[in-house]
Amino acid sequence: TQLLEQSPQFLSIQEGENLTVYCNSSSVFSSLQWYRQEPGEGPVLLVTVVTGGEVKKLKRLTFQFGDARKDSSLHITAAQPGDTGLYLCAGKGSNYQLIWGAGTKLIIKP
Amino acid sequence: ETGVTQTPRHLVMGMTNKKSLKCEQHLGHNAMYWYKQSAKKPLELMFVYNFKEQTENNSVPSRFSPECPNSSHLFLHLHTLQPEDSALYLCASSQDGAGGPYEQYFGPGTRLTVT
Repeated sequence: TQLLEQSPQFLSIQEGENLTVYCNSSSVFSSLQWYRQEPGEGPVLLVTVVTGGEVKKLKRLTFQFGDARKDSSLHITAAQPGDTGLYLCAGKGSNYQLIWGAGTKLIIKP
Repeated sequence: ETGVTQTPRHLVMGMTNKKSLKCEQHLGHNAMYWYKQSAKKPLELMFVYNFKEQTENNSVPSRFSPECPNSSHLFLHLHTLQPEDSALYLCASSQDGAGGPYEQYFGPGTRLTVT
């Protein structure tokens, strides 16, 4: 069974601080997606990483896919209250459906 | 309307009631999904429809019954639910193809409470 574990489960920091959240598995994924879900809304795709070692930047967000394509990280620089939300990672499983992590709930305090 | 819409947004039902959740996508996608989201748990894929044909049923109890009359509409019929079925039910759509799935677009969800 393919599983994705996200850590930490919960993170609360002050505006302006940097943070990193992780998405780890013992399985290899052909691609991995990161979504952000705000309260009362469904998840929205932020990025898809496909190649081992790939780094993608989205403004202050930096996404990295591990060399072995088993793990990924999301780094936020100078966090802002608008970054608050539930961050979910999802990998494309062997049956071509998405395997989801449980998410990291992030709160940025002004 | 744009994107993926879901109705109702909130639903409270007794264990003996019958209700239906509705999802509509305005994106021209060919695949639609029902997910269950519970606190601190990964999204649970319930059903997948591709070109109106059900392609996945992940051991979902028969008290949940999906219906996909066309590629834009998806329903989830509920009957004799249990309190543990209380959760956020999310509908999503995607343009599926070889090597898929690709980006999934989600609706806002229906917050279901079973009393």
